[in-house]
This record gives sequence, structure tokens and C-alpha cells, in this order.
Amino acid sequence: DTEVTQTPKHLVMGMTNKKSLKCEQHMGHRAMYWYKQKAKKPPELMFVYSYEKLSINESVPSRFSPECPNSSLLNLHLHALQPEDSALYLCASSPTRQGIYEQYFGPGTRLTVT
Amino acid sequence: KQEVTQIPAALSVPEGENLVLNCSFTDSAIYNLQWFRQDPGKGLTSLLLIQSSQREQTSGRLNASLDKSSGRSTLYIAASQPGDSATYLCAVRRRDNQGGKLIFGQGTELSVKP
Repeated sequence: DTEVTQTPKHLVMGMTNKKSLKCEQHMGHRAMYWYKQKAKKPPELMFVYSYEKLSINESVPSRFSPECPNSSLLNLHLHALQPEDSALYLCASSPTRQGIYEQYFGPGTRLTVT
Repeated sequence: KQEVTQIPAALSVPEGENLVLNCSFTDSAIYNLQWFRQDPGKGLTSLLLIQSSQREQTSGRLNASLDKSSGRSTLYIAASQPGDSATYLCAVRRRDNQGGKLIFGQGTELSVKP
């Protein structure tokens, strides 16, 4: 099974709401990633978790809060977002064994902030 | 600083044509290079992964080559079909791996006309 799942597929939220994005994989991968993608642009890395520990934070505003409760799950908690945060949010995972780092992406969550 | 460039930004070809997508990178100290396909509003699908020690990888009608010394990779698509229409992204991982961070090009938007 080479699948990364993300829920929800679409999310509309107001600037004062709190919501969460969820990502799950069952490939035994120990690295998981959050990316943000705007239209016609490549994905931009936000966070990397390695062995359930945050290893990279690409200077993301604190209104985005990642969480990795176990090796299969990755959450992104959203609070007080701005309209410019509207984008496709992609989750990915990869093995961490030496020499094997192919990233597998989920289908994404389309977020609209009103 | 590693920069990845893809040329052309957009390409339109008739069905059946063989085509080449180009990717160049400024720093040859890469760990590997990955080609992805993205359909509109969807996640990324991994097509091919080339390790820095390899020169090419093949999967079906796709062939990716890597020339580290010149900082170039090409994705060759044989006998193109309308279903190949998508955006193609290349991404490199630095030799120091940086926690698995991928550096993406801007993508080539491919349209295959019936």
C-alpha cells in the first residue's frame, strides 16, 4: 500500500475559526511532511517530522501548529488564519532508511479562508 | 543555494509525439532527483527517482536521465497520449539531505492534443 490519505478534501473556514487537517500513512515511513501549494506554483515545505519529532520548521507562522501523535499520523492545526493562507495543503511521507528517501504525496486538502 | 529550473514552462504537442522535459540545478552536490506528475487540484504522483550514482531510470513510456556534472536531468515521454496532460515537476534533494527537504522546479505544464 503506497497511499497517503488526507482529510478533509475541502475546508472553508473563517478567520476566527480553529480547524485541523489530518494525514495518515501505513507504509511504515518515519518521515512526514507538510507542504503548502498556491496555484501555478510548486509546493513549499512547511514542516518535517522525523521519528515523530519536529526536525524542520521553515519559519512558518505560529497560526499553523503541526502535531505528530504517532508514526502513522500527522496533523496540522489551524487558528486565526488569513485569506492569503488559502491554498492546497499537501502531506507527504518517506522512508528514512539510508539511500531510500522517495517521497509519497497525499491528494491534498483545498483550504479556503474567508 | 540550490536552484532548480524547468524549461519550458508550458508545452503543447499532438498525440503520439515523443517529447523531452528539461530540469537543471545549480549545485551538483545532490543526493537524488525525483520527477513528479500533478493533475490540476490534485496531489503529486512520484514518477521516477534517480539516485546521484545513477544515470537513468525507466518506467513504461518514461525515461529519466541524470547528468550531475552538468546539473541536468531530462524526462523523456514516448508516444505521448492525452492522458499525459498534467504539470511535471522535478525536485532535488541535497547531498547533506537536510532532513529530506526537496527543492522543486517551477514545473512544466504539458498539454497533449488528440
